[in-house]
Amino acid sequence: DGGITQSPKYLFRKEGQNVTLSCEQNLNHDAMYWYRQDPGQGLRLIYYSQIVNDFQKGDIAEGYSVSREKKESFPLTVTSAQKNPTAFYLCASSIGQGVDGETQYFGPGTRLLVL
Amino acid sequence: RKEVEQDPGPFNVPEGATVAFNCTYSNSASQSFFWYRQDCRKEPKLLMSVYSSGNEDGRFTAQLNRASQYISLLIRDSKLSDSATYLCVVKFLSGTYKYIFGTGTRLKVLA
Repeated sequence: DGGITQSPKYLFRKEGQNVTLSCEQNLNHDAMYWYRQDPGQGLRLIYYSQIVNDFQKGDIAEGYSVSREKKESFPLTVTSAQKNPTAFYLCASSIGQGVDGETQYFGPGTRLLVL
Repeated sequence: RKEVEQDPGPFNVPEGATVAFNCTYSNSASQSFFWYRQDCRKEPKLLMSVYSSGNEDGRFTAQLNRASQYISLLIRDSKLSDSATYLCVVKFLSGTYKYIFGTGTRLKVLA
């Protein structure tokens, strides 16, 4: 089955700890995205990548880092600099960023909680 | 003004009813429009793209009004399984393509 997987489903972070959220896709999509969803707010873009070895900051990149070493994988690290990390994190992918490849498909998400 | 605005609801409707949601957007250069469905504690799933000419998929009809800058979603013959939050998404070019998500409209279909 083709799709996007995220792990873990739930993640607990201690104060001062860095944690990494996994996102993998086997859809052969070029573009990948990380969003954060908080109650009562729309999804907000953290980082995105249009192609391997390239990524760009989104609207709320502070306290986060990413890498894109493989087309299939786009892990997100929540660093200790992110002071309010509790949220639902969603990874998405699309064929590309051009008009034809515009539909985004989402993974099942990771809930991050701070202990 | 928010870039994409939706009435949060909830819209409580009986089974079989027809319900409509609107979503307004502020950027007149917006190029593409989508409706996603999100169930509680789940990821958003694409319901339908919205085309200039309007489009229909079974009980669901989407319309775009560029002059007034809004899109709409009409659900006919509501089912219990339609209960969810419906997200409006607008895409526009600003250096690179950006997707702006509304906060969603919650629908509850009652037996």
